[in-house]
Amino acid sequence: DVKVTQSSRYLVKRTGEKVFLECVQDMDHENMFWYRQDPGLGLRLIYFSYDVKMKEKGDIPEGYSVSREKKERFSLILESASTNQTSMYLCASGRTSGGGELFFGEGSRLTVL
Amino acid sequence: GESVGLHLPTLSVQEGDNSIINCAYSNSASDYFIWYKQESGKGPQFIIDIRSNMDKRQGQRVTVLLNKTVKHLSLQIAATQPGDSAVYFCAETGSTLGRLYFGRGTQLTVWP
Repeated sequence: DVKVTQSSRYLVKRTGEKVFLECVQDMDHENMFWYRQDPGLGLRLIYFSYDVKMKEKGDIPEGYSVSREKKERFSLILESASTNQTSMYLCASGRTSGGGELFFGEGSRLTVL
Repeated sequence: GESVGLHLPTLSVQEGDNSIINCAYSNSASDYFIWYKQESGKGPQFIIDIRSNMDKRQGQRVTVLLNKTVKHLSLQIAATQPGDSAVYFCAETGSTLGRLYFGRGTQLTVWP
C-alpha cells in the first residue's frame, strides 16, 4: 500500500519558534509538494521539489523554506513561526512524467500561539 | 497563472439522489484533470481522472465530464450516500510538469 507519511498530525508552537514538518514517501516518486489548506482558500502550494536538493517556490513561499536531502524525504521549515501560519499542512508526492495523481499524507495541523 | 474554480462552495443533497459538482478551469493547454475527495481530518484521496483527449470517464458510481470548449469539468456521483459527504476538489496539470493546480473545493453534505 503506497504511503505518504507526515511526522506530526498535531503541533502547537509559540510565535518565533522554529518548526519542522517532515514528510516521507515510499513510492520512489521524483516530485514532492507542500501545500497549505485554509477554509475557503483550498490548497495553496508553498514549495515543491523535482529531485534531491532541488526546490521550487510555489504560490505562497514567504515565511517558509524546504529541504530535500533524500529522495523519499521532504521537509518544510518555518524559521520563525507566526500566528498567520496556523493552518493545515499537506504533503504530497507524484511522478514527473506523463501527468498523474498526487498522493497525499494525512496532514499536519499546526497552531501557532 | 492557472486558475481553477468551483461554481459552488457547498452542495446539499438527499441520500439516494445524484450529485453534480462543477469546476471551471482557465488554462486551455491543460491536458490532465483529476478529482479528489477529502474527508474531515484526512488528506485528499483520488477519485477519478481524465485526460484531455476524452470527454467522459466512468468509475464506480462516479462520472467525470470534460467540456474543453467552455473549459468546464464536472463530477457526477450516482445514488449519493452519507459516506460521500466530504470536500471535493478538482485539479488540473496546468503548465508546470508534475504540478497540480487545485480549485477551492465544494463541501458536499448528504442528508438521510
